[in-house]
Amino acid sequence: KAGVTQTPRYLIKTRGQQVTLSCSPISGHRSVSWYQQTPGQGLQFLFEYFSETQRNKGNFPGRFSGRQFSNSRSEMNVSTLELGDSALYLCASRTSGSIGTGELFFGEGSRLTVL
Amino acid sequence: AQSVTQLDSHVSVSEGTPVLLRCNYSSSYSPSLFWYVQHPNKGLQLLLKYTSAATLVKGINGFEAEFKKSETSFHLTKPSAHMSDAAEYFCVGRGSQGNLIFGKGTKLSVKP
Repeated sequence: KAGVTQTPRYLIKTRGQQVTLSCSPISGHRSVSWYQQTPGQGLQFLFEYFSETQRNKGNFPGRFSGRQFSNSRSEMNVSTLELGDSALYLCASRTSGSIGTGELFFGEGSRLTVL
Repeated sequence: AQSVTQLDSHVSVSEGTPVLLRCNYSSSYSPSLFWYVQHPNKGLQLLLKYTSAATLVKGINGFEAEFKKSETSFHLTKPSAHMSDAAEYFCVGRGSQGNLIFGKGTKLSVKP
């Protein structure tokens, strides 16, 4: 069974640009979550989608948005990039079980560098 | 909401010696707790999870963790470190919205 696939793995953008990251979950997983990982702030929750609906949202500005398609694939978009958006963006998927017990399966991440 | 605190940002051990990575949690309800591992340039992998079924939880690669309510701790241990254990380890709890809340991480170095 294929794991969680994130594309692109690495990308470089300049301030003010926008970026779209893609995540394909494990087959059969309907929930996709996004996390931002930086050396200073660690891992922070961005949002979670389930059956094309945003279920939870972290404390990030509106420049960060996402969506989920009917095949459970998800995209996140960051508009008007800032230097501080440089980070590893991790996607995770799980089955529809309770997050209290369900295991999250992570992709290898998309490393964004903003110059 | 639950929060987790990893007490050490970096732990260094020699190969073959025990590993102890410390985590304290705070929660107003029965917590769900996890340990994840992240190897360099890789995603995170679940090591083990506590969901109130048993206080001593065994995970993959010889790791285990004990939930101690009286001490609000969920420390990760391994009897004998291997070079391949060198990685960053995250203690994780569950937030009030059901999302995961990650500790700051502990980098484990293993010396030959």
